[in-house]
Formats: sequence, structure tokens, C-alpha cells
Amino acid sequence: KQEVTQIPAALSVPEGENLVLNCSFTDSAIYNLQWFRQDPGKGLTSLLLIQSSQREQTSGRLNASLDKSSGRSTLYIAASQPGDSATYLCAVPKGGSARQLTFGSGTQLTVLP
Amino acid sequence: EPEVTQTPSHQVTQMGQEVILRCVPISNHLYFYWYRQILGQKVEFLVSFYNNEISEKSEIFDDQFSVERPDGSNFTLKIRSTKLEDSAMYFCASSESRDTEAFFGQGTRLTVV
Repeated sequence: KQEVTQIPAALSVPEGENLVLNCSFTDSAIYNLQWFRQDPGKGLTSLLLIQSSQREQTSGRLNASLDKSSGRSTLYIAASQPGDSATYLCAVPKGGSARQLTFGSGTQLTVLP
Repeated sequence: EPEVTQTPSHQVTQMGQEVILRCVPISNHLYFYWYRQILGQKVEFLVSFYNNEISEKSEIFDDQFSVERPDGSNFTLKIRSTKLEDSAMYFCASSESRDTEAFFGQGTRLTVV
């Protein structure tokens, strides 16, 4: 059974700081890993998808890495802004399924102006 | 930019009533999903749908639930005889293929009273 853990549960940083969010998963037989952003009471916005054959994926100020063998992914946010404040979720396919995503509990990020 | 659209954004229903949640996936996507998030809890997988049939479902998705693609654009989740514990945010998602990025809608907040 796939389990996903995100550390820390909450993070508060001053504007401009670089930060790293962590995600770990128990079953390394995954096709990919996806990072999402969720604003309070809103839907999930896809940020990055990393395929199992990739080690990194970049989009603007975001960089996600994947170490399948150790069951870990990180999301690096450069030069954080107050608009980055949200909950960040990582999700991986459950076991051998490429479709059924298992989500972590998320990291609630607050970027202080 | 193409997006997944869900209606209604909020629905209040009485216990025991039937509700239908509606979704319009991204037009060239072939895989469709329903997830739910109970307040304060993780996002949970309910069901995936491909080629006009259910391809996977979780233990949550029992006989109370059903999905349908009634025409070429809509994808619906029906919940029969709603219970208080069905109160949650329900998310529809779609993806182009089984291992590509999943895009989520803004959700329908279902409140059962």
C-alpha cells in the first residue's frame, strides 16, 4: 500500500527566501510524481509532473527533484513571494497503478511580506 | 488554457437525497477521475474512468456511488441516499493518458444536512 508523507506540515518564511518542501513515499515502483498547489477552499493546481525516468523538472521559480530509489521528492521554491502562500501537495500513483493517485497531507506555506 | 469545469461549486442536500455532481473534462483527455477531500483530511481517490467504463475504484466507491459519461463532454458522479459523512469537496480530474499530468477542477463542495 502506497503511503505519502510530507514534511514539514507547515512552514512560514519571509519574502525572498528560498525553501524546500519534502515528500516521501513508501512504494518506489511509481510511474511519476506530481506536485500540486491548493489555495484555501479551492481546487488543485498542477505545478509539476516528474516521470520516473527523470531526476528533475523545472517550471519558473519551481524545481522538483525525484529520487525513486530512496522514495523521495523535493520541491524547491526560489525567491518566495507572498503569492506563493498555499498548501503544497505531492501525489504518486498507488502501487502499480498509474492512474490512482495517493496524496500526502501537504505542507502549508506562508510567505510573509 | 483548457481547464476542467465542475458544477455546481456548492451544493447543500438533505440526508437521504440523491445528488449529481457534474464535470466537463479537458476535451482531448481520455481518462477521467473523481476524488474527494473531507475537511482537514487528505485528498482521496474514488474512481477512474476510461473508454466508457470504470477502470479502478477505491473502497470508498461502493454501491452508493456511480459515474457516467452521458455525452461526449460531461462526466458525472451520482451519490444515492446521501449521508452526513458524504460531506466533502469533490474534485473531478482528467488526463490525456494513464501516466500524464492530471488536471483538477475547482471542486464541488457538498454539504449534507
